[in-house]
Amino acid sequence: DTGVSQDPRHKITKRGQNVTFRCDPISEHNRLYWYRQTLGQGPEFLTYFQNEAQLEKSRLLSDRFSAERPKGSFSTLEIQRTEQGDSAMYLCASSLGRTSRLVHEQFFGPGTRLTVL
Amino acid sequence: DAKTTQPNSMESNEEEPVHLPCNHSTISGTDYIHWYRQLPSQGPEYVIHGLTSNVNNRMASLAIAEDRKSSTLILHRATLRDAAVYYCILRDGNNAGKSTFGDGTTLTVKP
Repeated sequence: DTGVSQDPRHKITKRGQNVTFRCDPISEHNRLYWYRQTLGQGPEFLTYFQNEAQLEKSRLLSDRFSAERPKGSFSTLEIQRTEQGDSAMYLCASSLGRTSRLVHEQFFGPGTRLTVL
Repeated sequence: DAKTTQPNSMESNEEEPVHLPCNHSTISGTDYIHWYRQLPSQGPEYVIHGLTSNVNNRMASLAIAEDRKSSTLILHRATLRDAAVYYCILRDGNNAGKSTFGDGTTLTVKP
């Protein structure tokens, strides 16, 4: 399967702990996106990378959240000092864009479900 | 961000056409209309997009109003596998980044 993969698929942690999620995009895709989705709502944009550069961050991405894509391939999303309100599905998506313009189709991974106790 | 408005839920019978409406009265000239769907326990999946003209692909058709303030996703023959949450999203053609999803329409398909 050459789609977007995310690891782990499920994570249960205690409040105050740090967690890190990994996303592996489709191999030739240079754009990578992180979203958060809570139950019954649509995905909320968190951040976007073009290659290794983080070009856009949502105001939802508080100081406790950090995302990296060091070599322009896989990406990690870290949440420090987790809170119960961080419980959600964290989705990663990728696309291939050769210019700065929009690419219409994003390919989403299956998500990582985080539960903070 | 320009926002979209969709009904919370719709029902359809299997093998019948389904018309899923979306209102986007504040759409700007560079906004493209996108539709994604999300099956249970999966990430969203691209369905179709358009700018001004109606569009067809293997999954669906997209009908766009002349003033672009509304659009309709058409599934020509609904199957049980089409049961999902359908999201109508506006994305700026000059911005490769942010997508703003609403809460979508939950489509139930009855056998």
